[in-house]
Amino acid sequence: DIQMTQSPSSLSASVGDRATITCRASQDIRNDLCWYQQKPGEAPKRLIFAASRLHSGVPSRFSGSGSGTEFTLTISSLQPEDFATYFCLQQNTFPYTFGQGTKLDIK
Amino acid sequence: EVQVVQSGAEVKEPGESLKISCKGSGYKFTSWWIGWLRQMPGKGLEWMGIIYPGDSDTRYIPSFQGQVTISVDKSVNTAYVQWTSLKASDTAMYYCARLDGAHSPDYWGQGTRVTVSS
Repeated sequence: DIQMTQSPSSLSASVGDRATITCRASQDIRNDLCWYQQKPGEAPKRLIFAASRLHSGVPSRFSGSGSGTEFTLTISSLQPEDFATYFCLQQNTFPYTFGQGTKLDIK
Repeated sequence: EVQVVQSGAEVKEPGESLKISCKGSGYKFTSWWIGWLRQMPGKGLEWMGIIYPGDSDTRYIPSFQGQVTISVDKSVNTAYVQWTSLKASDTAMYYCARLDGAHSPDYWGQGTRVTVSS
């Protein structure tokens, strides 16, 4: 199985800060990576697909980059509603695998 | 508008059977894979398997093979996952999601909470 290593596992930041989360794949997954946000008690919501494409309705402060084995999710200016858990998912090779998640909380 | 709606919460005793559902609407149900995922309390998401409603092609994650059955009824645009004998360790939130053309889950159900307790 492809291993996805996500970092950091937790991140404390303030409103207005820039936040960056990274996922590394154990082998080349081209751009078959997406990013999700999940809040307690809610289903995940897709933010980014194909490594850098913004899901419909997602604010432009969210962006994704990378290809191959290194990927980044950036939130350019944190808003109060952005404090949540984020995780990456590779869907290049079945079984599709998730990163361990990053809990983003308010400093 | 694409919608994925799951059946409601369930409370069961060990050894009981259960079938939960996932109904898709607002798109051609038979043309898009559906995935089932488990989230145990306080943990991350795990894939259980995926199914293509068009021909019922199903792929299981090895750890779930033989433990659950994933199926679909095209006539009612609904996918299912079922257990024949629940265990306490099956207590979790279960999600289904439509997979886009690259198998990225794009639209998610709201989740079905399953509690197994005596």
